Amino acid sequence: DTGVSQNPRHKITKRGQNVTFRCDPISEHNRLYWYRQTLGQGPEFLTYFQNEAQLEKSRLLSDRFSAERPKGSFSTLEIQRTEQGDSAMYLCASSSPSRNEKLFFGSGTQLSVL
Amino acid sequence: GNSVTQMEGPVTLSEEAFLTINCTYTATGYPSLFWYVQYPGEGLQLLLKATKADDKGSNKGFEATYRKETTSFHLEKGSVQVSDSAVYFCALIVGGKIQGAQKLVFGQGTRLTINP
Repeated sequence: DTGVSQNPRHKITKRGQNVTFRCDPISEHNRLYWYRQTLGQGPEFLTYFQNEAQLEKSRLLSDRFSAERPKGSFSTLEIQRTEQGDSAMYLCASSSPSRNEKLFFGSGTQLSVL
Repeated sequence: GNSVTQMEGPVTLSEEAFLTINCTYTATGYPSLFWYVQYPGEGLQLLLKATKADDKGSNKGFEATYRKETTSFHLEKGSVQVSDSAVYFCALIVGGKIQGAQKLVFGQGTRLTINP
Protein backbone atom coordinates (compact mmCIF):
# COMPACT_ATOMS: atom_id res chain seq x y z
CA ASP A 1 0.00 0.00 0.00
CA THR A 2 1.29 3.44 -0.87
CA GLY A 3 -1.07 4.96 1.65
CA VAL A 4 -3.63 7.73 1.47
CA SER A 5 -2.12 10.93 0.13
CA GLN A 6 -3.49 14.41 0.80
CA ASN A 7 -2.45 17.69 -0.77
CA PRO A 8 -1.57 20.28 0.21
CA ARG A 9 -0.34 19.55 3.74
CA HIS A 10 -0.95 23.13 4.78
CA LYS A 11 -3.11 25.88 3.33
CA ILE A 12 -3.33 29.45 4.53
CA THR A 13 -6.01 31.61 3.01
CA LYS A 14 -7.85 34.83 3.62
CA ARG A 15 -11.45 34.89 4.68
CA GLY A 16 -13.77 34.83 1.69
CA GLN A 17 -11.41 32.95 -0.61
CA ASN A 18 -12.14 29.53 -2.08
CA VAL A 19 -9.89 26.55 -1.35
CA THR A 20 -9.69 23.04 -2.74
CA PHE A 21 -8.05 19.99 -1.22
CA ARG A 22 -7.18 16.74 -2.91
CA CYS A 23 -7.17 13.19 -1.58
CA ASP A 24 -5.69 10.18 -3.35
CA PRO A 25 -6.91 7.00 -1.65
CA ILE A 26 -5.26 3.61 -1.72
CA SER A 27 -5.79 2.47 -5.28
CA GLU A 28 -8.06 -0.54 -4.78
CA HIS A 29 -10.24 1.13 -2.11
CA ASN A 30 -13.75 1.89 -3.30
CA ARG A 31 -14.85 3.86 -0.23
CA LEU A 32 -13.51 7.30 0.56
CA TYR A 33 -14.29 9.46 3.59
CA TRP A 34 -13.75 13.06 4.62
CA TYR A 35 -13.47 14.06 8.28
CA ARG A 36 -12.73 17.39 9.93
CA GLN A 37 -10.70 17.80 13.11
CA THR A 38 -10.57 21.04 15.06
CA LEU A 39 -7.96 21.77 17.69
CA GLY A 40 -8.39 19.65 20.80
CA GLN A 41 -11.24 17.64 19.33
CA GLY A 42 -11.61 14.31 17.66
CA PRO A 43 -12.35 14.02 13.94
CA GLU A 44 -15.94 14.56 12.84
CA PHE A 45 -17.49 12.78 9.89
CA LEU A 46 -18.28 14.98 6.89
CA THR A 47 -19.12 12.72 3.96
CA TYR A 48 -18.29 9.52 2.16
CA PHE A 49 -18.23 8.04 -1.32
CA GLN A 50 -18.63 4.58 -2.64
CA ASN A 51 -16.86 4.68 -5.98
CA GLU A 52 -18.01 7.96 -7.55
CA ALA A 53 -21.31 8.18 -5.68
CA GLN A 54 -21.57 10.47 -2.67
CA LEU A 55 -23.78 8.41 -0.39
CA GLU A 56 -24.03 10.40 2.80
CA LYS A 57 -23.33 13.91 4.02
CA SER A 58 -23.17 15.24 7.55
CA ARG A 59 -25.10 18.30 8.69
CA LEU A 60 -21.65 19.82 9.21
CA LEU A 61 -21.26 20.03 5.45
CA SER A 62 -22.83 23.39 4.73
CA ASP A 63 -23.72 24.67 1.28
CA ARG A 64 -20.26 26.23 1.01
CA PHE A 65 -18.69 22.77 1.04
CA SER A 66 -18.69 20.45 -1.93
CA ALA A 67 -16.94 17.14 -2.39
CA GLU A 68 -16.47 15.17 -5.57
CA ARG A 69 -14.97 11.92 -6.66
CA PRO A 70 -15.46 12.09 -10.40
CA LYS A 71 -13.91 8.82 -11.53
CA GLY A 72 -14.11 6.88 -8.33
CA SER A 73 -10.43 7.43 -7.64
CA PHE A 74 -9.17 10.72 -6.16
CA SER A 75 -11.50 13.13 -4.41
CA THR A 76 -11.59 16.89 -3.97
CA LEU A 77 -13.12 18.93 -1.17
CA GLU A 78 -13.85 22.55 -1.99
CA ILE A 79 -14.78 25.24 0.49
CA GLN A 80 -16.22 28.42 -0.97
CA ARG A 81 -16.15 31.81 0.77
CA THR A 82 -14.04 30.49 3.62
CA GLU A 83 -14.73 31.64 7.17
CA GLN A 84 -12.43 31.64 10.17
CA GLY A 85 -14.51 28.82 11.64
CA ASP A 86 -13.44 26.62 8.76
CA SER A 87 -9.90 26.50 10.15
CA ALA A 88 -9.26 22.84 10.92
CA MET A 89 -7.44 19.71 9.83
CA TYR A 90 -9.28 18.01 6.98
CA LEU A 91 -8.71 14.28 6.97
CA CYS A 92 -9.31 11.81 4.19
CA ALA A 93 -9.59 8.07 4.66
CA SER A 94 -10.30 5.09 2.45
CA SER A 95 -11.43 1.53 2.92
CA SER A 96 -12.25 -1.61 1.01
CA PRO A 97 -14.63 -4.48 1.81
CA SER A 98 -11.81 -6.88 0.92
CA ARG A 99 -9.75 -5.40 3.77
CA ASN A 100 -12.60 -5.78 6.25
CA GLU A 101 -13.38 -2.06 5.87
CA LYS A 102 -10.33 -1.05 7.88
CA LEU A 103 -9.92 2.70 7.51
CA PHE A 104 -6.60 4.09 6.32
CA PHE A 105 -6.17 7.79 7.06
CA GLY A 106 -4.07 10.35 5.29
CA SER A 107 -1.98 12.88 7.20
CA GLY A 108 -4.50 15.60 6.53
CA THR A 109 -4.60 19.13 5.16
CA GLN A 110 -4.31 21.85 7.78
CA LEU A 111 -6.40 24.87 6.78
CA SER A 112 -5.87 28.25 8.39
CA VAL A 113 -8.29 31.02 7.49
CA LEU A 114 -7.02 34.48 8.39
CA GLY B 1 -27.46 10.47 20.19
CA ASN B 2 -24.08 8.83 19.78
CA SER B 3 -21.07 10.18 21.64
CA VAL B 4 -17.73 9.19 23.13
CA THR B 5 -16.15 10.71 26.21
CA GLN B 6 -12.47 10.24 27.02
CA MET B 7 -10.51 11.18 30.07
CA GLU B 8 -8.97 14.56 29.70
CA GLY B 9 -5.30 14.88 29.00
CA PRO B 10 -2.55 15.44 28.70
CA VAL B 11 -1.26 12.36 30.44
CA THR B 12 2.41 12.16 31.33
CA LEU B 13 4.00 8.96 32.58
CA SER B 14 7.43 7.52 33.09
CA GLU B 15 8.66 4.65 30.97
CA GLU B 16 7.43 1.22 32.17
CA ALA B 17 4.48 2.74 34.02
CA PHE B 18 0.98 1.27 33.77
CA LEU B 19 -1.38 3.13 31.48
CA THR B 20 -5.14 3.52 31.61
CA ILE B 21 -7.06 5.90 29.37
CA ASN B 22 -10.75 5.90 30.19
CA CYS B 23 -13.42 5.89 27.51
CA THR B 24 -17.19 5.75 27.91
CA TYR B 25 -19.80 5.93 25.22
CA THR B 26 -23.44 6.61 24.55
CA ALA B 27 -24.99 4.93 21.56
CA THR B 28 -28.28 3.93 20.04
CA GLY B 29 -28.09 0.32 19.09
CA TYR B 30 -25.06 -1.86 19.41
CA PRO B 31 -21.89 -0.10 18.32
CA SER B 32 -18.46 -1.43 17.45
CA LEU B 33 -15.70 0.24 19.46
CA PHE B 34 -12.22 1.33 18.41
CA TRP B 35 -9.03 2.91 19.63
CA TYR B 36 -7.06 4.96 17.11
CA VAL B 37 -3.60 6.40 17.61
CA GLN B 38 -2.03 9.45 15.98
CA TYR B 39 1.74 9.69 16.15
CA PRO B 40 3.32 13.12 15.54
CA GLY B 41 3.14 14.07 11.88
CA GLU B 42 1.28 10.92 10.87
CA GLY B 43 -2.27 9.95 10.03
CA LEU B 44 -4.64 8.20 12.39
CA GLN B 45 -4.02 4.47 12.68
CA LEU B 46 -6.32 1.80 14.01
CA LEU B 47 -4.84 0.41 17.23
CA LEU B 48 -7.48 -2.12 18.22
CA LYS B 49 -11.18 -2.81 18.04
CA ALA B 50 -14.00 -4.84 19.59
CA THR B 51 -17.31 -5.57 17.98
CA LYS B 52 -19.41 -7.14 20.74
CA ALA B 53 -19.79 -7.18 24.49
CA ASP B 54 -16.93 -8.77 26.46
CA ASP B 55 -14.68 -8.82 23.39
CA LYS B 56 -11.12 -7.79 24.12
CA GLY B 57 -9.17 -5.97 21.45
CA SER B 58 -5.39 -6.08 21.68
CA ASN B 59 -2.39 -4.86 19.72
CA LYS B 60 1.20 -3.79 20.48
CA GLY B 61 0.70 -4.55 24.18
CA PHE B 62 -2.43 -2.41 24.42
CA GLU B 63 -5.78 -3.93 25.44
CA ALA B 64 -9.35 -2.76 25.78
CA THR B 65 -12.47 -4.72 26.76
CA TYR B 66 -15.94 -3.88 25.51
CA ARG B 67 -18.05 -3.50 28.66
CA LYS B 68 -21.69 -3.13 27.77
CA GLU B 69 -22.88 -2.91 31.37
CA THR B 70 -20.72 0.14 32.05
CA THR B 71 -20.67 1.41 28.44
CA SER B 72 -16.90 1.60 28.62
CA PHE B 73 -13.86 0.68 26.52
CA HIS B 74 -10.85 1.68 28.59
CA LEU B 75 -7.40 1.41 27.03
CA GLU B 76 -4.65 -0.22 29.09
CA LYS B 77 -1.01 -1.11 28.72
CA GLY B 78 1.09 -2.75 31.37
CA SER B 79 4.43 -1.08 30.60
CA VAL B 80 4.58 1.97 28.37
CA GLN B 81 7.53 3.01 26.24
CA VAL B 82 8.70 6.39 25.00
CA SER B 83 7.57 5.34 21.51
CA ASP B 84 3.96 5.16 22.78
CA SER B 85 3.86 8.95 23.01
CA ALA B 86 0.97 9.98 20.78
CA VAL B 87 -2.65 11.12 20.82
CA TYR B 88 -5.16 8.33 21.43
CA PHE B 89 -8.76 8.48 20.24
CA CYS B 90 -11.63 6.28 21.34
CA ALA B 91 -14.35 5.89 18.73
CA LEU B 92 -17.52 4.04 17.88
CA ILE B 93 -19.11 3.24 14.60
CA VAL B 94 -22.61 4.23 13.75
CA GLY B 95 -24.42 2.41 11.03
CA GLY B 96 -24.42 4.40 7.83
CA LYS B 97 -26.96 4.22 5.05
CA ILE B 98 -24.77 1.62 3.43
CA GLN B 99 -23.72 -1.44 5.41
CA GLY B 100 -20.08 -1.40 6.34
CA ALA B 101 -19.62 2.34 5.99
CA GLN B 102 -17.19 3.58 8.61
CA LYS B 103 -19.05 6.53 10.09
CA LEU B 104 -16.92 6.91 13.15
CA VAL B 105 -17.79 9.06 16.14
CA PHE B 106 -14.59 10.03 17.95
CA GLY B 107 -13.82 11.18 21.45
CA GLN B 108 -11.80 14.35 21.89
CA GLY B 109 -8.47 12.51 22.15
CA THR B 110 -5.96 12.08 24.96
CA ARG B 111 -2.38 13.21 24.49
CA LEU B 112 0.07 10.79 26.08
CA THR B 113 3.69 11.65 26.77
CA ILE B 114 6.11 9.05 28.07
CA ASN B 115 9.31 10.29 29.66
CA PRO B 116 12.46 8.14 29.71
